[in-house]
Amino acid sequence: DAGVTQSPTHLIKTRGQQVTLRCSPKSGHDTVSWYQQALGQGPQFIFQYYEEEERQRGNFPDRFSGHQFPNYSSELNVNALLLGDSALYLCASSLVGAGNSPLHFGNGTRLTVT
Amino acid sequence: AQSVTQLDSQVPVFEEAPVELRCNYSSSVSVYLFWYVQYPNQGLQLLLKYLSGSTLVKGINGFEAEFNKSQTSFHLRKPSVHISDTAEYFCAVSDYRDSSYKLIFGSGTRLLVRP
Repeated sequence: DAGVTQSPTHLIKTRGQQVTLRCSPKSGHDTVSWYQQALGQGPQFIFQYYEEEERQRGNFPDRFSGHQFPNYSSELNVNALLLGDSALYLCASSLVGAGNSPLHFGNGTRLTVT
Repeated sequence: AQSVTQLDSQVPVFEEAPVELRCNYSSSVSVYLFWYVQYPNQGLQLLLKYLSGSTLVKGINGFEAEFNKSQTSFHLRKPSVHISDTAEYFCAVSDYRDSSYKLIFGSGTRLLVRP
């Protein structure tokens, strides 16, 4: 049973560029959430997708956008990259409406902006 | 909004000694609480969760946590740690908004187990 998979594992970009990160949820899960984890900090919620729509959004600018596909996989896009966007981006999957169902996390994509 | 506080940024401990990692959350009518562990260059792995019922929750790798509603705490404990327990530990609370749940994490506690 495949868990949450993310690609790529590492990425180096230059300020001002755009980046796309990808995530495949755990089998049987229909909801995907994205988190940003800056160095030495806890994960911060970016947004959540269910039924191909954004259900909830954290305190992140519009430069951060996402998409969910019919097969439940998801993409995170970041435009006009800033140095401060350097972080580990974590994807997590779960079942919708199941607040008591724990999130399953992928190993993340390490983004470095130079 | 919910919030989580992990007061200890780092906890050094000798191997085979007991350890407690502290977590406090903002009060709410009902709450789901979680502890996750993160090993270097990896994602987060669930250690244990409190949903309801018994206030003492047992998890994987010999960890347990106690939910204390009056003190709004959910401290993580292990009676005897191993070198392999060295990792970052995150406490999280489930927050319900806009018909969906999300996790709010604390800033993490680095457990450093020394031989």
